[in-house]
Amino acid sequence: AQSVAQPEDQVNVAEGNPLTVKCTYSVSGNPYLFWYVQYPNRGLQFLLKYITGDNLVKGSYGFEAEFNKSQTSFHLKKPSALVSDSALYFCAVRAYGNKLVFGAGTILRVKS
Amino acid sequence: GAGVSQSPSNKVTEKGKDVELRCDPISGHTALYWYRQSLGQGLEFLIYFQGNSAPDKSGLPSDRFSAERTGGSVSTLTIQRTQQEDSAVYLCASSPWDSVTEAFFGQGTRLTVV
Repeated sequence: AQSVAQPEDQVNVAEGNPLTVKCTYSVSGNPYLFWYVQYPNRGLQFLLKYITGDNLVKGSYGFEAEFNKSQTSFHLKKPSALVSDSALYFCAVRAYGNKLVFGAGTILRVKS
Repeated sequence: GAGVSQSPSNKVTEKGKDVELRCDPISGHTALYWYRQSLGQGLEFLIYFQGNSAPDKSGLPSDRFSAERTGGSVSTLTIQRTQQEDSAVYLCASSPWDSVTEAFFGQGTRLTVV
């Protein structure tokens, strides 16, 4: 069975500071990992994904994520947070041919 | 259209009534998902269609919920005898047959049961 854990309900950072939103996963076989963002009263937007290759993937709005196979993690990062990054972030995993499974989500609050 | 389209965008219904929610996926996408999101909370998986395979219905919360996908394209989620706890945003997503392309989400249907 596939599963995703986002251990933090909320992450608070100051504008300009680096941010990390954590995600760990469990899946049989090679994982395909995704991050999505949801702004208030908006749909889910795709940020980035890891399929294979380089463990550090870069995505939209300056976000990046690092795939760590030994720790089964795929943490979302950004070197310098913006107030406009405040949103709800979802990590998701899929094994080949299987459904897409989401974590519970993490609220990111960036304060000026 | 270019994206996933859901209708209606908002639906208010009386407790006990049946409702149908529609999803038009991106053309050519063989995978289609329904999720439920309550008050900005997490995404609750409901059902997954992939091509001609039997759908994964493991997330449907009760037998009041059902979904079908006609002709491998449009999908309808039906909720019978709606209850107040069914109030939520229902999100539809689609993706191509491969597992490496991200899923694309519609804007959702906000269902309110009064």
